[in-house]
Amino acid sequence: SQQGEEDPQALSIQEGENATMNCSYKTSINNLQWYRQNSGRGLVHLILIRSNEREKHSGRLRVTLDTSKKSSSLLITASRAADTASYFCATQTGANNLFFGTGTRLTVIP
Amino acid sequence: GAVVSQHPSRVICKSGTSVKIECRSLDFQATTMFWYRQFPKQSLMLMATSNEGSKATYEQGVEKDKFLINHASLTLSTLTVTSAHPEDSSFYICSASGQGQGYSNQPQHFGDGTRLSIL
Repeated sequence: SQQGEEDPQALSIQEGENATMNCSYKTSINNLQWYRQNSGRGLVHLILIRSNEREKHSGRLRVTLDTSKKSSSLLITASRAADTASYFCATQTGANNLFFGTGTRLTVIP
Repeated sequence: GAVVSQHPSRVICKSGTSVKIECRSLDFQATTMFWYRQFPKQSLMLMATSNEGSKATYEQGVEKDKFLINHASLTLSTLTVTSAHPEDSSFYICSASGQGQGYSNQPQHFGDGTRLSIL
């Protein structure tokens, strides 16, 4: 299976704290993407990092990619209650298909 | 930004019914659309990839006669769950990627999903 794994499976933090989620994958990739899913809804694209990039920022989000370890991390700084959601990493290879990780359920307590 | 509309958002029907789910790209032409299935508190599993005007490519283990996919235009793909049974109950999500975006280094744009419940 090409599905990646994320850890932790669940994370609960206080508002204002930082949240870090990790993703590991198995195959060579073109890029790795992070998505957010609110309960019962579709996915929202957050950030895409290409295989030749090591770090990328977007607002309060910071993503790193280590292709030698086949791993990525998503850092959300200064978390807010509205950040409560499930976060998925997804890898894209030569084809257009995305293979999703197992997801991290983040709860930010006001 | 790119918008994908999925309809209906929720379906409850009796066992044996066939259910059609629509996925539309509203402001771009989607050469490729993807259909995923998601069980509660689990990840998305790719079911099939559909390219406009050609047959869908199904992932291993997905019954093509059970899950019929049609991608007749650049803005519409449909998934029909034929003769649905309780085990088909799930959350189905479509996504689309646009024309000219190429095959790599582009995000997919997701619909809001369809909650299918078979009684």
